Amino acid sequence: AQTVTQSQPEMSVQEAETVTLSCTYDTSENNYYLFWYKQPPSRQMILVIRQEAYKQQNATENRFSVNFQKAAKSFSLKISDSQLGDTAMYFCAFMKSGGSNYKLTFGKGTLLTVNP
Amino acid sequence: KAGVTQTPRYLIKTRGQQVTLSCSPISGHRSVSWYQQTPGQGLQFLFEYFSETQRNKGNFPGRFSGRQFSNSRSEMNVSTLELGDSALYLCASSLAGVRPTNEKLFFGSGTQLSVL
Repeated sequence: AQTVTQSQPEMSVQEAETVTLSCTYDTSENNYYLFWYKQPPSRQMILVIRQEAYKQQNATENRFSVNFQKAAKSFSLKISDSQLGDTAMYFCAFMKSGGSNYKLTFGKGTLLTVNP
Repeated sequence: KAGVTQTPRYLIKTRGQQVTLSCSPISGHRSVSWYQQTPGQGLQFLFEYFSETQRNKGNFPGRFSGRQFSNSRSEMNVSTLELGDSALYLCASSLAGVRPTNEKLFFGSGTQLSVL
């Protein structure tokens, strides 16, 4: 079974600054996907970024980027130029690759507050 | 393109009752999965349906069940409600190809169930 750990329950950052959220995971699988989801007060889970484990290059999406360390089983999210709208719960998630594996295993989440 | 629609947004029930939640996926999406979110347990996978068949199931008692219709809409049912069933129930849909190589799971805003 897979486990995902987010060791920072809460974090805060000043607007326009950079913040990094941590995530580690445990799996015996070699092929898998990692995700960061954002859940604002509206409760809808929004996909922020996705990483395929077979790709060495770190994924980026505008102000969001990841630092994927497969050997260390680490998957951190960096948010640059933080904006007030980035305030939300952030969840790291794991999904096995292949076949019909549409099951996400989530971490407990990190509450990020962006201060003006 | 309309997103994932969950109804109702809020629901209040009493212990022992049963409840049915509905999820309409994004048009063209064939996979629908359900997650339970609570403050204590976080996000937990309930089950996933594809082409009217349950493909994956999480570790929940038999009181939790679901189904998918030919138009991909899905319902989940919880019978004999317990206080611990109070949670946000999230539905996610995806295209569900043979391999989730480029797949993304899109979530709805959830149904908040309160059991009194």
